[in-house]
Amino acid sequence: DVKVTQSSRYLVKRTGEKVFLECVQDMDHENMFWYRQDPGLGLRLIYFSYDVKMKEKGDIPEGYSVSREKKERFSLILESASTNQTSMYLCASSALPREQYFGPGTRLTVT
Amino acid sequence: RKEVEQDPGPFNVPEGATVAFNCTYSNSASQSFFWYRQDCRKEPKLLMSVYSSGNEDGRFTAQLNRASQYISLLIRDSKLSDSATYLCVVNLYNNNDMRFGAGTRLTVKP
Repeated sequence: DVKVTQSSRYLVKRTGEKVFLECVQDMDHENMFWYRQDPGLGLRLIYFSYDVKMKEKGDIPEGYSVSREKKERFSLILESASTNQTSMYLCASSALPREQYFGPGTRLTVT
Repeated sequence: RKEVEQDPGPFNVPEGATVAFNCTYSNSASQSFFWYRQDCRKEPKLLMSVYSSGNEDGRFTAQLNRASQYISLLIRDSKLSDSATYLCVVNLYNNNDMRFGAGTRLTVKP
């Protein structure tokens, strides 16, 4: 059974804090993605990675960075959290573009 | 204009009803199309791909109209378990650039 796990389901952070969101997949997929999901806006791509140490900006990379040191792990970093980064963050992985497997999501609240 | 647009709903239908959702996309160069399903407080999961000739998977039928740039999902004989948000997804170049609609919420009532 395919599995994408995220380090936290719920997270509350203060403005200005550095935040790390971790994602691990056990399917040996090359591609991994970070999205945020907000009501009425759908999923928006923040960053994706197609190989270890490789990354590409998505639609909304500002305020975020990523790290992929190992194939199975893709981290999203909020350098200095702001209230407008309060959102649901979803990690996904895929072997091909046809199907992405999502983790359960992390609901981040920045106060 | 959004790249992928869906009616947010909610669609409230009785069990056994037939319901259809449409989704329009703005980029005529889009290559591949999908419907994902997202249950409340859960992650999205692939429901089905959408092929040019249309395709069926049990009670679900997906169709593509390239000329009018829309895709549709038809659900026959709705079940309570079909209650979810249905996300339309468009892939521009058969690469990793997937564009998600905001979703259409369906509630099937007894």
